[in-house]
Amino acid sequence: DTGVSQNPRHKITKRGQNVTFRCDPISEHNRLYWYRQTLGQGPEFLTYFQNEAQLEKSRLLSDRFSAERPKGSFSTLEIQRTEQGDSAMYLCASRILPGLAGGEQFFGPGTRLTVL
Amino acid sequence: AQSVTQLDSQVPVFEEAPVELRCNYSSSVSVYLFWYVQYPNQGLQLLLKYLSGSTLVKGINGFEAEFNKSQTSFHLRKPSVHISDTAEYFCAVTGTGANNLFFGTGTRLTVIP
Repeated sequence: DTGVSQNPRHKITKRGQNVTFRCDPISEHNRLYWYRQTLGQGPEFLTYFQNEAQLEKSRLLSDRFSAERPKGSFSTLEIQRTEQGDSAMYLCASRILPGLAGGEQFFGPGTRLTVL
Repeated sequence: AQSVTQLDSQVPVFEEAPVELRCNYSSSVSVYLFWYVQYPNQGLQLLLKYLSGSTLVKGINGFEAEFNKSQTSFHLRKPSVHISDTAEYFCAVTGTGANNLFFGTGTRLTVIP
């Protein structure tokens, strides 16, 4: 399978704990995005990387959130001191640049986080 | 910035009937528009996209959408739905110079046998 993969698929944690999610993009895709999707809402942009450089962060990405893409391949999203409001589906997407303008972002299956 | 409004949160429709899912967008710049589908416990899959040119775009699974600049709309249509079309559908927009997608709140399409 050469699609975007995310691990774990589900994570249940207690409030105050730290969690880390991993995204493996499609090979050779140099742009990687993180989105958050809460129940009944569409995905909301969090941040994106061009290779290993984090180029943009949404105001939704509080200081408790940090994302890395150390070698320009896989990426991790860490949430420190989780809160119940962090419960959501975290989606990763990737695309290749240069490419067609407005080119398609390919999405992974997501990691569903539940904070108790 | 860009934004998207999906006017219907839920649309029930009988099998083999036509369906239209509505999407309106707001932007001060030229846009690219997308429709994604999300099946339960899965990621988003691109149905179709409008970048430029013909305002009628055809996508996968028999879906099509029409870009209407004057009405700032990008409604999704299918002439005859199947049970397998039951899913959540998201309209998304990005500015031609922007990097991320702005999604609507989604429309849940339920096809009734």
